[in-house]
Amino acid sequence: AQSVSQHNHHVILSEAASLELGCNYSYGGTVNLFWYVQYPGQHLQLLLKYFSGDPLVKGIKGFEAEFIKSKFSFNLRKPSVQWSDTAEYFCAVNAGNNRKLIWGLGTSLAVNP
Amino acid sequence: DGGITQSPKYLFRKEGQNVTLSCEQNLNHDAMYWYRQDPGQGLRLIYYSQIVNDFQKGDIAEGYSVSREKKESFPLTVTSAQKNPTAFYLCASSISAGGYHEQYFGPGTRLTVT
Repeated sequence: AQSVSQHNHHVILSEAASLELGCNYSYGGTVNLFWYVQYPGQHLQLLLKYFSGDPLVKGIKGFEAEFIKSKFSFNLRKPSVQWSDTAEYFCAVNAGNNRKLIWGLGTSLAVNP
Repeated sequence: DGGITQSPKYLFRKEGQNVTLSCEQNLNHDAMYWYRQDPGQGLRLIYYSQIVNDFQKGDIAEGYSVSREKKESFPLTVTSAQKNPTAFYLCASSISAGGYHEQYFGPGTRLTVT
């Protein structure tokens, strides 16, 4: 069965630290990849997405993610986090002709000022 | 403003009662979704609808029912058959049901059943 793994369940960082959240998926064919973010008290919203082309994609608020096909990975990065990045982050994958997204369990990020 | 509204924000019910959660969108999207979010379990798909008068079971449809009589509306009924209904429920929509489309989410309804 297709699945998405987010390796870090809880991450605590200080402001200005660099961030990398891992996401791996299990599917050998064409995939569409997403990172969503849920800030405290706000709607879940799209952070960035990859469909094709340049495997390094940039999203909102200085986030970026790199698709590495050989590693089945789509890790999220930010060079310098801010307190306002405190949120829950979800990786999601659409595989093949599936009309559904497969979601990771989420990573809770807390950034200390 | 375009978006998705869910009401109410908090809902309390006694065990054994059916309860309906509202979801309305004014984005003119064809596809709508219901997810359940539990701590540490991510988002799990309950039902989705690709078009009016059509809907498909997701991964955890047991104990739930939906209808899609209008493009704008996709209410979810949590029936008494759902064994563990207390959860945070999220409604979403997308232009169409292809998984490459961004999903837009509502604010959610937190249901507590005692």
